[in-house]
Amino acid sequence: GNSVTQMEGPVTLSEEAFLTINCTYTATGYPSLFWYVQYPGEGLQLLLKATKADDKGSNKGFEATYRKETTSFHLEKGSVQVSDSAVYFCALSDQGNTGNQFYFGTGTSLTVIP
Amino acid sequence: DTGVSQNPRHKITKRGQNVTFRCDPISEHNRLYWYRQTLGQGPEFLTYFQNEAQLEKSRLLSDRFSAERPKGSFSTLEIQRTEQGDSAMYLCASSPIYEQYFGPGTRLTVT
Repeated sequence: GNSVTQMEGPVTLSEEAFLTINCTYTATGYPSLFWYVQYPGEGLQLLLKATKADDKGSNKGFEATYRKETTSFHLEKGSVQVSDSAVYFCALSDQGNTGNQFYFGTGTSLTVIP
Repeated sequence: DTGVSQNPRHKITKRGQNVTFRCDPISEHNRLYWYRQTLGQGPEFLTYFQNEAQLEKSRLLSDRFSAERPKGSFSTLEIQRTEQGDSAMYLCASSPIYEQYFGPGTRLTVT
């Protein structure tokens, strides 16, 4: 079956530190992979995506590379800011019989301190 | 604002009452999804529409839950005879093909 496993949090970093949030997946087909971010009291926002192996998604300084050989899609940012404090969700989308099914990880809470 | 909207944003109800939530997707998206999210967890899939057809339902969606999408536009999610375990954030998302765009959610509290 399909599933996503995320690095457990919470993660606390100082401003300008390097961020890695690990994500691995299990899929029966050829999924698309996503990172979503959720700020307090808000819905999920798409942060970046990759639709095939070796693709790199990037947005707002965040990057993630679709690694089929290691079934991973780790999120990285070279220098975090206080405004990056949020919960980050890794997700995969697999084309099921009736449409795209999405599977989310449990989320990783990030707090960036000045 | 052309994003996904959900109403109400918050709902407090007494156990046993019925509640209905509304989702207005991005207009050109024909796919619409409902999820439930509890504290510290990722969204859990509830049901999915392509246009007006409800194509998939999770086993999480008990008989007390019903969803509709008349005319393939907005969607409603109704919970009958609410229970305390129904307290959660209910998220709606619409999708063109691959990615999903989420609304702000409706937070339900059952007392």
